[in-house]
Amino acid sequence: EAQVTQNPRYLITVTGKKLTVTCSQNMNHEYMSWYRQDPGLGLRQIYYSMNVEVTDKGDVPEGYKVSRKEKRNFPLILESPSPNQTSLYFCASRPQGQETQYFGPGTRLLVL
Amino acid sequence: AQSVTQLGSHVSVSEGALVLLRCNYSSSVPPYLFWYVQYPNQGLQLLLKYTSAATLVKGINGFEAEFKKSETSFHLTKPSAHMSDAAEYFCAVSDTIQGAQKLVFGQGTRLTINP
Repeated sequence: EAQVTQNPRYLITVTGKKLTVTCSQNMNHEYMSWYRQDPGLGLRQIYYSMNVEVTDKGDVPEGYKVSRKEKRNFPLILESPSPNQTSLYFCASRPQGQETQYFGPGTRLLVL
Repeated sequence: AQSVTQLGSHVSVSEGALVLLRCNYSSSVPPYLFWYVQYPNQGLQLLLKYTSAATLVKGINGFEAEFKKSETSFHLTKPSAHMSDAAEYFCAVSDTIQGAQKLVFGQGTRLTINP
């Protein structure tokens, strides 16, 4: 089944404790992206990647890092999480040249 | 840069009534427009998209949207609401910056269906 998977789905952590949220797609898509969803703000892009080893900042990159060492994986790293990063995070992918993005199921993060 | 405004963060309709969710966009070029739906505790699912073909776009689950350039609108409608339509709906426009395409989302509209 073609899909985007994220792990973990739910995570509670404390301020300053490094964490990684994984994202993987099995559709051979070139483009991958991370969004955060907050009430009243919709989804905002954190980082995106056009292909392996090509990443760039989105609208709200502060406090986040990403890497794209393999085409299928695009992990989101929070080196020192803070409470304002409590949010619902979505990974998405799409093939190059197409407009439609396919979303993962989301990761709900709570930073205490 | 493109932007999207969804009018009404909450919309409530009775089962069987018309559903109308409003979306206005700003874009300096012909846009690609999308409606996504998010059911409780799930990810986003594409409902329909406009990519400069027919202005009336039909999507899944009986939803449709009409692109009106003169009004810069892309409102989502469904003639008869069903309880299973209760969800959050997001309008989005495709933006291209330095060759990279991304989606710019509205703030979302939560649709409640009353029995």
